[in-house]
Amino acid sequence: SQQGEEDPQALSIQEGENATMNCSYKTSINNLQWYRQNSGRGLVHLILIRSNEREKHSGRLRVTLDTSKKSSSLLITASRAADTASYFCATDRSYNTDKLIFGTGTRLQVFP
Amino acid sequence: EPEVTQTPSHQVTQMGQEVILRCVPISNHLYFYWYRQILGQKVEFLVSFYNNEISEKSEIFDDQFSVERPDGSNFTLKIRSTKLEDSAMYFCASRLTENTEAFFGQGTRLTVV
Repeated sequence: SQQGEEDPQALSIQEGENATMNCSYKTSINNLQWYRQNSGRGLVHLILIRSNEREKHSGRLRVTLDTSKKSSSLLITASRAADTASYFCATDRSYNTDKLIFGTGTRLQVFP
Repeated sequence: EPEVTQTPSHQVTQMGQEVILRCVPISNHLYFYWYRQILGQKVEFLVSFYNNEISEKSEIFDDQFSVERPDGSNFTLKIRSTKLEDSAMYFCASRLTENTEAFFGQGTRLTVV
């Protein structure tokens, strides 16, 4: 089974609007991390939220985690054209492993 | 700010040739990883490395793959005999502990022709 599915797969918005991306997962986790990837480039770490946290902020980013629903959301407020990228969640499972399992990603397009 | 660096950024190789992808993790980090991303697809785990040995590997990481930490700074991924389907972006990552942020390099785009 797949750990980490983001929705929507693609999202197009205008500059200034908020963008919300969701991530669902299947197993218990220690933490969940969000990454940004510009086209064909590296993975930039955005934020880590631990399983005992419900919400975390970093600048224009707000991440929530609901372990009962096994889901997380990433909100980007007041989006900019430079936020155009793919966004991935990655989970750290809580037993027997330290690898990250990546979701399928959301492609965000912000139009100026 | 410390970062993970990978070289080369792009490598083209002929099928059957050996390639070595190089990574310099963040200096005080203890956990190291290789992932790959085939164009347009999700990021897939290959191998994790801790305390100078492989701690976990995926089904993708078969006998054609090996990793090494030859000195205190470098972490390499070797593919012994490349196949067309090995064409992908390969990412190195490191983290201080198994529960902290994992930082990724810019990747090496491997093209097997």
